Amino acid sequence: DTEVTQTPKHLVMGMTNKKSLKCEQHMGHRAMYWYKQKAKKPPELMFVYSYEKLSINESVPSRFSPECPNSSLLNLHLHALQPEDSALYLCASSTKRTSGGYNEQFFGPGTRLTVL
Amino acid sequence: GEDVEQSLFLSVREGDSSVINCTYTDSSSTYLYWYKQEPGAGLQLLTYIFSNMDMKQDQRLTVLLNKKDKHLSLRIADTQTGDSAIYFCAESIRTSYDKVIFGPGTSLSVIP
Repeated sequence: DTEVTQTPKHLVMGMTNKKSLKCEQHMGHRAMYWYKQKAKKPPELMFVYSYEKLSINESVPSRFSPECPNSSLLNLHLHALQPEDSALYLCASSTKRTSGGYNEQFFGPGTRLTVL
Repeated sequence: GEDVEQSLFLSVREGDSSVINCTYTDSSSTYLYWYKQEPGAGLQLLTYIFSNMDMKQDQRLTVLLNKKDKHLSLRIADTQTGDSAIYFCAESIRTSYDKVIFGPGTSLSVIP
């Protein structure tokens, strides 16, 4: 299995809803990432998990709550979102280099989120 | 500072070569990447080059790196309509987690 999968593909939610985005990879990658991408813009990093532990939070509002239950799964829990949070949410994963650092990131197809 | 720049648009005729250019500012880059994004899809890793290399070729793709000028280019030979997409240049900077900085993306349009 050489891909990153994300579900759902599309999600529409109200500002009072609670929903979750899921990401899965079976490539043995020990680093996983959440990005947010607005239309016509590059991806913006939100969170980095390394060996199932949160290592980077790029000052993301607490209405976004990541979770890494095991080495293959990454979730993003959403609560009380705002319309400006509507975007494509991308998950990525990468291997760790033996010399330190991380290799190239492989991206999933994304979840298109619309907040009403 | 950390900044990656690209021209926003490029239009070429089918069968011609496309050259997408990128400049970056951080001299501590370790790897440089090219990603392709088709409408409504995620990012597909096309190729990458280590910062101590000058050139890398992979089928129709040729990457050139001028480290002195901090300039990266992607050449697509025999461009096809299926190559129409947004192409992101990205650099990996050695931090605690190899932070990846993306450029704004170049929208490539291929005219049949």
